[in-house]
Amino acid sequence: AQSVAQPEDQVNVAEGNPLTVKCTYSVSGNPYLFWYVQYPNRGLQFLLKYITGDNLVKGSYGFEAEFNKSQTSFHLKKPSALVSDSALYFCAMNYGGSQGNLIFGKGTKLSVKP
Amino acid sequence: DAEITQSPRHKITETGRQVTLACHQTWNHNNMFWYRQDLGHGLRLIHYSYGVHDTNKGEVSDGYSVSRSNTEDLPLTLESAASSQTSVYFCASSESLGGVITGELFFGEGSRLTVL
Repeated sequence: AQSVAQPEDQVNVAEGNPLTVKCTYSVSGNPYLFWYVQYPNRGLQFLLKYITGDNLVKGSYGFEAEFNKSQTSFHLKKPSALVSDSALYFCAMNYGGSQGNLIFGKGTKLSVKP
Repeated sequence: DAEITQSPRHKITETGRQVTLACHQTWNHNNMFWYRQDLGHGLRLIHYSYGVHDTNKGEVSDGYSVSRSNTEDLPLTLESAASSQTSVYFCASSESLGGVITGELFFGEGSRLTVL
């Protein structure tokens, strides 16, 4: 079955340090992968996507993600975390099935401390 | 600017009452979705539509219904509200290519529903 997993409920990082939010997926075909961010009391906002091509994808607010087919992962990264990056992050996958809808992970809460 | 709006933003109702959450988008997107967000579950798909007069059940559709009479609107109705339907509801819309979503979803701000 198709699925998306975010193994960490929460990630704590000091401001200025690099951050990684992990995502793994399970799919029988080629996935389309997305990262979304949710700030308190707001809707989700698109950060970046991988459809095809270069495995390193750059997105909004200095975030990037690396698609690794052999490890079935799509980890979100940022070289230097900001306090304002503190939010809930969701990984999502569209496997191109007949429904064509996104499957979301359960979310990872990122906390960046000054 | 194009946008997607939800109303009401907050609603308190009683068990057994009918509730309708409105969603209106001005992106002219064919695809519209309703999700619910619960702690520990992330986002779960309730219903979705690929165009006017098209509606489909998602992962957690029991107790919910939608109708799509035009491109802009996809109202979500709880026929007889239950306490288990207390949640935050998000509407979203997107473009698609050949039925496969390759672009971003645009989300509304959410509707917080409490069923007492």
